[in-house]
Amino acid sequence: QVQLQASGPGLVKPSETLSLTCTVSGGSLGLHSWSWIRQSPGKALEWIGSLYNGGSTNFHPSLTSRGTISVDTSKTQMSLTLTSVTAADTAIYYCAREYCSGNSCWNSYLEYWGQGILVTVSS
Amino acid sequence: VLTQSPATLSLSPGESATLSCRASQRVTNYLAWYKQTPGQAPRLLIYDASKRATGIPARFSGSGSGTDFTLTISGLEPEDFAVYFCQQRYYWPFTFGPGTKVDIK
Repeated sequence: QVQLQASGPGLVKPSETLSLTCTVSGGSLGLHSWSWIRQSPGKALEWIGSLYNGGSTNFHPSLTSRGTISVDTSKTQMSLTLTSVTAADTAIYYCAREYCSGNSCWNSYLEYWGQGILVTVSS
Repeated sequence: VLTQSPATLSLSPGESATLSCRASQRVTNYLAWYKQTPGQAPRLLIYDASKRATGIPARFSGSGSGTDFTLTISGLEPEDFAVYFCQQRYYWPFTFGPGTKVDIK
């Protein structure tokens, strides 16, 4: 069974860098596409960005200049880095894996999700 | 932009629920539905508008194409009282609707 565990600091100061790690068990990082989603209090879910199984990434246009997604397959970890954070980045952050059925996968639907980590941006 | 209606749906167990999702531009059938209970991550229910994801009970069904989509839950079970989100994958960035809360009447 695939399991994802997001970890990182729960509190980040404005203008600093947010770094989150998603540890994956029960599945191969290199074979699938992975994404980060966030949910601000009282707001809808927002798709931050994706890391595709070919190694390329795609970011929400509003976050392209500040965000990086990387993978360390030896540690079975995926990471999200967001620089110059503001209060608007306060949210629950989820890592998630694409949906697969049989031999087909859809990198734009999300099947396995981590439990979510609340990150608050505040001084 | 995805809009969902109603914002809240109050029903009793055993009743059927009909949830709507409308896209501001055509997304063909590239639409999914997720369910989220408090404190939990969303769970994929329906993808490509009408296909049930693995392990999802048959009481969940999706329909629609273009701009108007519907999620139907036939015979609400206690665990179905939750928030439901739609998500489109036709345009980048992929987006979610604001959600419909199904609560117990």
